[in-house]
Amino acid sequence: DTEVTQTPKHLVMGMTNKKSLKCEQHMGHRAMYWYKQKAKKPPELMFVYSYEKLSINESVPSRFSPECPNSSLLNLHLHALQPEDSALYLCASSPPVAGVARYRYNEQFFGPGTRLTVL
Amino acid sequence: DAKTTQPNSMESNEEEPVHLPCNHSTISGTDYIHWYRQLPSQGPEYVIHGLTSNVNNRMASLAIAEDRKSSTLILHRATLRDAAVYYCILRRGAGGTSYGKLTFGQGTILTVHP
Repeated sequence: DTEVTQTPKHLVMGMTNKKSLKCEQHMGHRAMYWYKQKAKKPPELMFVYSYEKLSINESVPSRFSPECPNSSLLNLHLHALQPEDSALYLCASSPPVAGVARYRYNEQFFGPGTRLTVL
Repeated sequence: DAKTTQPNSMESNEEEPVHLPCNHSTISGTDYIHWYRQLPSQGPEYVIHGLTSNVNNRMASLAIAEDRKSSTLILHRATLRDAAVYYCILRRGAGGTSYGKLTFGQGTILTVHP
């Protein structure tokens, strides 16, 4: 299995709903990432998990809550979102660089994204 | 993070070579130069990366200037499938806890004409 999968592909939610996005990889990668991409803009990093530990939070509002239950799975829990949070949410994973410090990673493999619409 | 500068858009004809430039005048000695592309309605895709020497893989070649202040991604024979946004990104190497963090710039929109 050489791909990153994301579910659902599309999600429409109201501002009072609670929903979750799921990302999975079975390539043995030890870093996993969440990005947000607005229309016609580049992806923006939200969170990084390294060896299942939250390592980077790019000052993301608390209505976005990441979770990494194991080395293959990454979730993004959503609560009380705003319409401006509508975007494509991308997950990525990366293998560690062999023989060096645990926080060194190479290329990232991206999933197809979840298109989120907040009404 | 050091920044990169790329042209907003470029055009090419099918089966011709394409040279996509990237300027990164504030690059540090440990920054790797990464290229990703994003096809319409897809997630970004890794293309190639290098540090100092030119690099080749099945997708493209990366030519790095001797002073490392600029680089060029070379697609040897463009196809319609190569139409995408191409991102040149500097990724911090040794000496930092960046966890492979990528900071995307605006990228270059490549249009390929039949």
